[in-house]
Amino acid sequence: DSGVTQTPKHLITATGQRVTLRCSPRSGDLSVYWYQQSLDQGLQFLIQYYNGEERAKGNILERFSAQQFPDLHSELNLSSLELGDSALYFCASSQRTSTDTQYFGPGTRLTVL
Amino acid sequence: AQTVTQSQPEMSVQEAETVTLSCTYDTSESDYYLFWYKQPPSRQMILVIRQEAYKQQNATENRFSVNFQKAAKSFSLKISDSQLGDAAMYFCAYRWPRGSSGDKLTFGTGTRLAVRP
Repeated sequence: DSGVTQTPKHLITATGQRVTLRCSPRSGDLSVYWYQQSLDQGLQFLIQYYNGEERAKGNILERFSAQQFPDLHSELNLSSLELGDSALYFCASSQRTSTDTQYFGPGTRLTVL
Repeated sequence: AQTVTQSQPEMSVQEAETVTLSCTYDTSESDYYLFWYKQPPSRQMILVIRQEAYKQQNATENRFSVNFQKAAKSFSLKISDSQLGDAAMYFCAYRWPRGSSGDKLTFGTGTRLAVRP
């Protein structure tokens, strides 16, 4: 157990819908990262927050957004869902940023029908 | 852009034997970090080992060790005394700790390791 929690574990929804994925980092970790794992794209970085502020963006679609709250938990919002958004979404956290190892949560499996 | 290449999509090893998984990367930086993560059937991403580029000594964690060749940009993972629980997908990852790209990990495509009893 990495100490990073993600809810829900599984999510099944329809095209066009909006969902929210939640992540609680390890105790004391200030940095949160979101990654998407899909069959065709592999593991890709989406976005990083550090202590409530956006630090870096990767291959995140405009339909997707995220935020990190004062208690350091983070949410990833996916809207206007398409079939191709079906994937495993991971949250990872690290204590600070550059020198710290990222520990991954168990992931949320999103299925868009 | 930094890229990570794992040229072995699948590998197989006999239980108790040793296996080496390959990884190469492309970077113009001198200060960076390399990781191996394991993803078993549960899909959890588990850190196996970490290497700092400024360290010449190869990292070791119990049965897992790396062969880090900085000039060749190679970072292979050696698993000794393989166990059935080692069966998983293994991902090599690179992190450049500074710059506008933040602290993201760039992953290879993975190597699926099967362990034969």
